[in-house]
Amino acid sequence: GAGVSQTPSNKVTEKGKYVELRCDPISGHTALYWYRQSLGQGPEFLIYFQGTGAADDSGLPNDRFFAVRPEGSVSTLKIQRTERGDSAVYLCASSRTSGSANEQFFGPGTRLTVL
Amino acid sequence: SQQGEEDPQALSIQEGENATMNCSYKTSINNLQWYRQNSGRGLVHLILIRSNEREKHSGRLRVTLDTSKKSSSLLITASRAADTASYFCATDANGNNRLAFGKGNQVVVIP
Repeated sequence: GAGVSQTPSNKVTEKGKYVELRCDPISGHTALYWYRQSLGQGPEFLIYFQGTGAADDSGLPNDRFFAVRPEGSVSTLKIQRTERGDSAVYLCASSRTSGSANEQFFGPGTRLTVL
Repeated sequence: SQQGEEDPQALSIQEGENATMNCSYKTSINNLQWYRQNSGRGLVHLILIRSNEREKHSGRLRVTLDTSKKSSSLLITASRAADTASYFCATDANGNNRLAFGKGNQVVVIP
């Protein structure tokens, strides 16, 4: 079956621009997670959704970052006024529910480069 | 903040040898998970061990957990070239599946 997909796979933008990153979770998975991975580091939690609502957005670094999941399936991570420090691979994951020990299935990521 | 800290950071071994990597964390946890990441690809879940478990096996993988020392180890036996990847431990502290990852171990298996 289809796994988690993310688009685009690569995004190059200029400092100050707005970007949107999309995540399509596995069908039927109610929990969706966004992580950010910088070069040589492990993924860092940003936000997770249970259904349509953001259950925990405490990992978002500042108010330039926002994510939505309006219908409880596809999610979009939005970054305003991008900065060079936002360059990273943005990973999305989904799981059946958000309860502990539910395996998270990761997408291939979107590599964002801010020039 | 990152919980896990793997040690060593990089490991190069011959095919057929065993590979061991360690992970330490700072706070109490609900469970600890190990993931593999191949170059340019997403993370793949390998194994999960709950806080009340001490050891778990899955195929060629063996994970131990010592909650008194706040540490875990991952052993890959009879390594293969296809095991070449980065390995991350991740902890779930609050039982909500929000994972805190370590920096990762790079493992290179030489054919």
